[in-house]
Amino acid sequence: DSGVTQTPKHLITATGQRVTLRCSPRSGDLSVYWYQQSLDQGLQFLIHYYNGEERAKGNILERFSAQQFPDLHSELNLSSLELGDSALYFCASSTGLAGGLDTQYFGPGTRLTVL
Amino acid sequence: AQSVTQPDIHITVSEGASLELRCNYSYGATPYLFWYVQSPGQGLQLLLKYFSGDTLVQGIKGFEAEFKRSQSSFNLRKPSVHWSDAAEYFCAVGVRLGNQFYFGTGTSLTVIP
Repeated sequence: DSGVTQTPKHLITATGQRVTLRCSPRSGDLSVYWYQQSLDQGLQFLIHYYNGEERAKGNILERFSAQQFPDLHSELNLSSLELGDSALYFCASSTGLAGGLDTQYFGPGTRLTVL
Repeated sequence: AQSVTQPDIHITVSEGASLELRCNYSYGATPYLFWYVQSPGQGLQLLLKYFSGDTLVQGIKGFEAEFKRSQSSFNLRKPSVHWSDAAEYFCAVGVRLGNQFYFGTGTSLTVIP
């Protein structure tokens, strides 16, 4: 158990819909990262937050957005969903003390299925 | 552009045999390098990481990796594989500026008795 929690575990929705994925980092961690893992694209870095502020953006679509709240939990919002958005979405957290390049602890993931 | 290549999609080894998983990266400066393992239905777990210093790094579960700048490689090794090592292994590069990460496509390891 990494100490990172993600909810829900599974999500099934329809095209065009909007969903919110939630992540609670390990106690004391200030950095949260979001990743998308799909069969055709592999593991893609989406976005990184540190203490409520966006630090880096990766391959995140404009239809996707994220935020980190004062209690440090984070949410990833996916809108206008397409079939290709079906994937496993991971959240990871770290202390953030090494400029974001410290050890990341991954949550169990949220499996999103878009029908 | 930064990239990570894991040339072996799938590897099968016998239990007790040695293992080497290959990783090559493309990045203009010295990167931060990581190896992660993902068991079925699980998140990723860090095996080891290289930031600087000794180019041979030791990790958990008996794994080690060697950074070779001249070859832009960071291969993962284990002298004797256990059945529980069967999993997906990912090499990753951390880019110092921008706090971004790039993962390879992964190598799936099967261990046969």
